[in-house]
Amino acid sequence: KQEVTQIPAALSVPEGENLVLNCSFTDSAIYNLQWFRQDPGKGLTSLLLIQSSQREQTSGRLNASLDKSSGRSTLYIAASQPGDSATYLCAVRSRDTGRRALTFGSGTRLQVQP
Amino acid sequence: EAGVTQFPSHSVIEKGQTVTLRCDPISGHDNLYWYRRVMGKEIKFLLHFVKESKQDESGMPNNRFLAERTGGTYSTLKVQPAELEDSGVYFCASSQDVAQDLLHNEKLFFGSGTQLSVL
Repeated sequence: KQEVTQIPAALSVPEGENLVLNCSFTDSAIYNLQWFRQDPGKGLTSLLLIQSSQREQTSGRLNASLDKSSGRSTLYIAASQPGDSATYLCAVRSRDTGRRALTFGSGTRLQVQP
Repeated sequence: EAGVTQFPSHSVIEKGQTVTLRCDPISGHDNLYWYRRVMGKEIKFLLHFVKESKQDESGMPNNRFLAERTGGTYSTLKVQPAELEDSGVYFCASSQDVAQDLLHNEKLFFGSGTQLSVL
C-alpha cells in the first residue's frame, strides 16, 4: 500500500529565502507525482506534474525533482514571496492495475513573512 | 473556461440527516473523482467515474455514501444518514480521458470543495 510523507509539516521563512519541501513515497511503481497548492478555503491547484520517466519539472520560480528509485521528490521555491504562503501537497499515482486514485501526503504549511 | 465547481461550499447538518453534494466537472472531462479530507488528515480517494460508470469505488467508506453521475455530466454524492465522523472537506476533480499508456500524463483539476460539518 502506497504511503506518502511530507516533511516538514509547517515552515515559516522570511521573504526572499529559497526553500525546499520534501515528499517521500514507499512504492516506486508510480505513473507520476504531482505537486499541488491549496489556499485556505480554496481548491487544489496543480503546480507541477512529473512523469515517472522524468527527473524534474520547472515552472517559474518552482522546480520539482523526482528520484523514483529512492522514493523522493523535492519542491524548490526560489526567492519566496508572501503570496507563496499556502499548503503544498504532493500526490502520487501508483501503478495499481485499473486504479487511478492519487495518494496524498498530509502537506506542508508554508508561511512567508514579509 | 469554467473550472470544476462544487456546491454548496459549506453545509452544516445534524447527525442523522441527509446531505447531497454536487460537482460539475470541466466540460468534456470524462473522468470525475471524489476525494475527502477529514479531521486534518490526508486527502483520501473515494471513487472514480468514467462518464456515467463507476470505475473504482474502493475508497467509499460505507453504504451510507452514494455517488451518482447521471448522463455522464455532473455528479452528486449523498450521505444518508450523516454521522459525526463524516465531517470534513469533500473535493471533486476531473480530467480528460487518457488511454492506459498515457496515465503518466493525466492531470487533475480540483474544485474548491464542500466543507461538511455534522453536529
